Amino acid sequence: GAVVSQHPSWVICKSGTSVKIECRSLDFQATTMFWYRQFPKQSLMLMATSNEGSKATYEQGVEKDKFLINHASLTLSTLTVTSAHPEDSSFYICSAPGQKLKQETQYFGPGTRLLVL
Amino acid sequence: KNQVEQSPQSLIILEGKNCTLQCNYTVSPFSNLRWYKQDTGRGPVSLTIMTFSENTKSNRRYTATLDADTKQSSLHITASQLSDSASYICVVSESSASKIIFGSGTRLSIRP
Repeated sequence: GAVVSQHPSWVICKSGTSVKIECRSLDFQATTMFWYRQFPKQSLMLMATSNEGSKATYEQGVEKDKFLINHASLTLSTLTVTSAHPEDSSFYICSAPGQKLKQETQYFGPGTRLLVL
Repeated sequence: KNQVEQSPQSLIILEGKNCTLQCNYTVSPFSNLRWYKQDTGRGPVSLTIMTFSENTKSNRRYTATLDADTKQSSLHITASQLSDSASYICVVSESSASKIIFGSGTRLSIRP
């Protein structure tokens, strides 16, 4: 079945540094991928929609200059958290739409846990 | 405003017991409704997908129902196991804008 991977699975960084998170669709192509952030005991919050070959679409309140998204190919999207601060510490998840039993569904990556010290 | 509301927020039951989780939505126009299971520290995994015309769908011990008229869905878990402890998220897709709206989830804990 369709699989979405993320790398790294966890990262610890110093405040002020930038962190890149990769999201890959392993056995299918995705012209669109979604990036979410999830704080403890809360549901996923959509941050942005990554579009292959064009600019990402950001949700209201999400700073596009802080969360840089690049959809370099049909199987790879990257999220870069620039000048990370402790409040950026969160669980970041990506998803890609695929087909399951002839219906569109979202395949989620395993998530990346970011801790900014 | 398109919304998805889940209840209860959290639930604790004994191993072997059944439980039912609820999802009410106001998303329109409706495309489909999905239930996901999310283990702590993991990404969500799809359990069921239901379209407008489907009333019931089962996946092993999980049975989802959908009432498109009242805009309600439920997820019934039979003979719960310790591994069922997770957050269960209801996700509704809006067809016109290709948007997906997440419920806040129900945190289920199974006690031995």
